[in-house]
Amino acid sequence: DQQVKQNSPSLSVQEGRISILNCDYTNSMFDYFLWYKKYPAEGPTFLISISSIKDKNEDGRFTVFLNKSAKHLSLHIVPSQPGDSAVYFCAASDGGSQGNLIFGKGTKLSVKP
Amino acid sequence: DAGVTQSPTHLIKTRGQQVTLRCSPKSGHDTVSWYQQALGQGPQFIFQYYEEEERQRGNFPDRFSGHQFPNYSSELNVNALLLGDSALYLCASSLGQSLGSYEQYFGPGTRLTVT
Repeated sequence: DQQVKQNSPSLSVQEGRISILNCDYTNSMFDYFLWYKKYPAEGPTFLISISSIKDKNEDGRFTVFLNKSAKHLSLHIVPSQPGDSAVYFCAASDGGSQGNLIFGKGTKLSVKP
Repeated sequence: DAGVTQSPTHLIKTRGQQVTLRCSPKSGHDTVSWYQQALGQGPQFIFQYYEEEERQRGNFPDRFSGHQFPNYSSELNVNALLLGDSALYLCASSLGQSLGSYEQYFGPGTRLTVT
């Protein structure tokens, strides 16, 4: 049973527009959420994170929103650039597991020039 | 500042053999986690090492074992390889939990193919 779900395997967006990647989770004990970006033949790169005590965290073009009641988080990229084309993974952790990250299956983002 | 490094980058082994993968954490990090990423899936947690001890383990059989050295580098060993062990093996480093950091930084991975 998947605890972290990314239901969209792929997303295509025009350069300059907003990209919205979604993630749902089932475990209410999760208290920290992270987004990673992965290019082919490279390891995942940490992008941005959010604690469950917040509902928004922003870093440059990247903003993560957390809706705890809906057990849903989203990553917004504005404006999208062709270099953002990659697979994006949502991950979650509960403090008691000492850092075991549980990942979704990923969403492949394609940003068209 | 050196990031997480892993060796080798690619490896081909035969069923039943044993393999050892190596990882050096990011400078200043003391905790190493190992993940297995199958094709089309997200990384799956194998285990985590802190202070040379296995601190937590995911749902992987005992064929998967590891070690952490005093310099914080780590090894992942897999015995009696199965075809299903073919995957990308990722190492991630982080600061100890006592510092409240959840962010893990990944290496490029080792691609293991079992034939």
